[in-house]
Order: sequence, then C-alpha cells, then structure tokens
Amino acid sequence: EVQLVESGGGLVQPGGSLRLSCAASGFTFSSYWMSWVRQAPGKGLEWVANIKQDGSEKYYVDSVKGRFTISRDNAKNSLYLQMNSLRAEDTAVYYCARVWEWLGEFDYWGQGTLVTVSS
Amino acid sequence: QSVLTQPPSASGTPGQRVTISCSGSSSNIGSNTVNWYQQLPGTAPKLLIYSNNQRPSGVPDRFSGSKSGTSASLAISGLQSEDEADYYCAAWDDSLNGSVVFGGGTKLTVL
Repeated sequence: EVQLVESGGGLVQPGGSLRLSCAASGFTFSSYWMSWVRQAPGKGLEWVANIKQDGSEKYYVDSVKGRFTISRDNAKNSLYLQMNSLRAEDTAVYYCARVWEWLGEFDYWGQGTLVTVSS
Repeated sequence: QSVLTQPPSASGTPGQRVTISCSGSSSNIGSNTVNWYQQLPGTAPKLLIYSNNQRPSGVPDRFSGSKSGTSASLAISGLQSEDEADYYCAAWDDSLNGSVVFGGGTKLTVL
C-alpha cells in the first residue's frame, strides 16, 4: 500500500525557517517524480515544487523561488522541503504527492502538515 | 487568481447529473492532459480522473471527464450525498517550465 506521511509543520515567525519531511513507503520511491502542493486556509490547491527521480531537476512556483528548496534522499525513501524566509502568505497545509509520470497526475497524496507563519 | 478557471460552486439534488467546467489556455489544457481531484471535507485531495477521462481503480463510473481544446469538464451522474466535496482540475503548463497549474476549485453541494 502506498503511503506518504508528512511531518515537520508548526508555528514559525516571519523570516524563520522550517524543514518539512515526507516519508514514503509501499512503492519504489526512486522511480518517481515527487511534488509538494500547498493549501492556504479556506483556499484552493497550489503546486509548490517538483523533483525528478534522481534529484537532478527541480522546479518551483515563482512565489517560493530562492526561498524554498526541494530535495530527496532515495536511500531513506524521503522527500524534503526546506523553507526559508517564511512569510505570512506561506501559511498552509503542505501535502507531498507522488507524480505518476512526467506530465502526469498526482496519484497519491499524504495527509498534509500545517505550517503557520505568524508572530 | 488561478491559471485554470472553474466555477466556485455547483449544486444538484440526489440522482441528478452535474457538470463542472475548467477553462485554460493553449500552454496548459491545450497541450497537456487534465486531471481532476476530489477533496472531501477535512481530508487530503484524492485523484478522481486522470488523462482527461480515465478513472483510477475504485472510482465509480458515475464520474467522467472530457476535454476539448483548452477546456475540460467533469460530470457526475446519479449524484449522491457523499459526492459533496471540493473538486479541482489541474494540468501541466508548458509556459512555466516543469510547473503544474490548478483551478480555483468548485464546491459541490448536494441539496
């Protein structure tokens, strides 16, 4: 059974940093693109970042470029999102999702972890 | 403001058929396949339709998808109370390298 379990969310002050983790199981993690998608309270879904199977390609939504870094450790079946210079508008539930294939669908999602940026 | 445009709300009575539209452009829906996600209240999104009109295993055939040009639509027939949820369309966008764009979401209410 495919499982994605996020962790690392919490309350952080504006300008602060946080590192999210996503533990994957039930599939060959190293064979799939992975993504982070977020959802601000009461709002819709917003794609945040993608990373290729070997980590050689990474893509970001403009609003987080230069502040967020997506990475992965295939030996640990884990996906990460390092978030720096956090802003109030980054407050959201962050989901990790498996990408079935390049240009494909997010076929599995984690349960999400809440990040709150507030003083 | 979302790149893909969906109506913010839709509604229907049990047994009815409802459709939700999703409008994009040549760089996203016009060039790539459309996927639909269902988000039940308080839960994570779930893949509902992929590659424009394919249903993952376990998704009832009451749900169907279609695409034409730069628009797509999701149809739900035989509406049931448990279909009350938020629905999102999504597609990759060729003008935003390696990016995925979502619609703003449609809240479906079963009256």
